[in-house]
Amino acid sequence: QSALTQPASVSGSPGQSITISCTGTSRDIGGYDYVSWYQQHPGKAPKLLIHDVSDRPSGVSWRFSGSKSDNTASLTISGLQAEDEADYYCSSYTSSATWVFGGGTKLSVL
Amino acid sequence: EVQLLESGGDLVHPGGSLRLSCGASGFTFNNYGVSWVRQAPGKGLEWVSAISGSGGSMYFADSVRGRFTISRDNSNNMVYLQMNSLRAEDTALYYCARGTDAMDYWGQGTLVTVSS
Repeated sequence: QSALTQPASVSGSPGQSITISCTGTSRDIGGYDYVSWYQQHPGKAPKLLIHDVSDRPSGVSWRFSGSKSDNTASLTISGLQAEDEADYYCSSYTSSATWVFGGGTKLSVL
Repeated sequence: EVQLLESGGDLVHPGGSLRLSCGASGFTFNNYGVSWVRQAPGKGLEWVSAISGSGGSMYFADSVRGRFTISRDNSNNMVYLQMNSLRAEDTALYYCARGTDAMDYWGQGTLVTVSS
């Protein structure tokens, strides 16, 4: 159950687009379309942004989108806003009937 | 309104036990699995355990299998995480969340500290 691999940090300017990658294996991301993304602001509980690779829950901004290719999932945030500054985590179902998170990515909006 | 509320966190000695509770409201409880996710101070999220809506299927991370058990009481909308043989590395804020593949509602967490 090794954690999925995410970059420790990414940054962007307001209005720009950024992409956060999440790399796993054929036993997790590559084997199932059960990839989710979460946003966590300091001191707050995580918030679901994307589920089933690319589906957005009701109420989540269109600026957040997800995709997957082979063993890597990606979260793209378009039109960066100051309020997007937070930690982002990916998650996937695994062949061991467990779930695994990525190590998290800190997004800085410059 | 969907709400989840964790309780039961405390300071416990290594080797000790603790039972966390997660109370839910605002949705048809037995239609949803429930997950426990923890976050050590200053660290990332770690999936711990999950239970299906009926309670018939239970899942555990390798790091807690054999030490933790999970159960639910659908008549009272409660999920429990029984934690035995606690270790220093179990120190974390423990969240319960609705769902498994997509954890769409989360509680605010309950703090477990394992220290002598």
